[in-house]
Amino acid sequence: GENVEQHPSTLSVQEGDSAVIKCTYSDSASNYFPWYKQELGKRPQLIIDIRSNVGEKKDQRIAVTLNKTAKHFSLHITETQPEDSAVYFCAASDGGGADGLTFGKGTHLIIQP
Amino acid sequence: EPEVTQTPSHQVTQMGQEVILRCVPISNHLYFYWYRQILGQKVEFLVSFYNNEISEKSEIFDDQFSVERPDGSNFTLKIRSTKLEDSAMYFCASSATSGGGKTQYFGPGTRLLVL
Repeated sequence: GENVEQHPSTLSVQEGDSAVIKCTYSDSASNYFPWYKQELGKRPQLIIDIRSNVGEKKDQRIAVTLNKTAKHFSLHITETQPEDSAVYFCAASDGGGADGLTFGKGTHLIIQP
Repeated sequence: EPEVTQTPSHQVTQMGQEVILRCVPISNHLYFYWYRQILGQKVEFLVSFYNNEISEKSEIFDDQFSVERPDGSNFTLKIRSTKLEDSAMYFCASSATSGGGKTQYFGPGTRLLVL
């Protein structure tokens, strides 16, 4: 089955700086890669996703890059703000009959004022 | 904006008891999922459901678990005989499409505590 590794587990950045979170996956059949933000005690909320036919996608301060050859994808947050503090999860799906997402272990992003 | 809803928000039960967790997916969605998240850990896939049957299940989803769509709106997860290790947050999710990249929207979760 799919295995998703996520690094770092904790990331502390100064407000206004950029944050980068990296994930690798094992199943070359995976073709869908969402990122979820989870605040304490809340539901995971989709912030951006990318499909295997695209190398990069951007939405305002958030961008995701995908390297299918290397089987890794990254989340980039620019001009970080205090409200960006949360746990971020990457996930992958093989798009097969299962469609269940395999999640990474999460990155606790801390924005220092 | 439509959202997935779940009830109850919290459930406390004794070990060995049966629990039913309820979800109302987004109304035009066709694919439904259950996930669980043990405190402080990652979200784990349990089962996916489409066209009134299970599409796939993980190794976590053993014989003590079952899912059902009893009517046109509800989607339930039943745990027949709860164990201490079943204590977790259970999330329901739904998506409109499947295969090749679908977006799954999560409900607020049910926090289950087994004593």
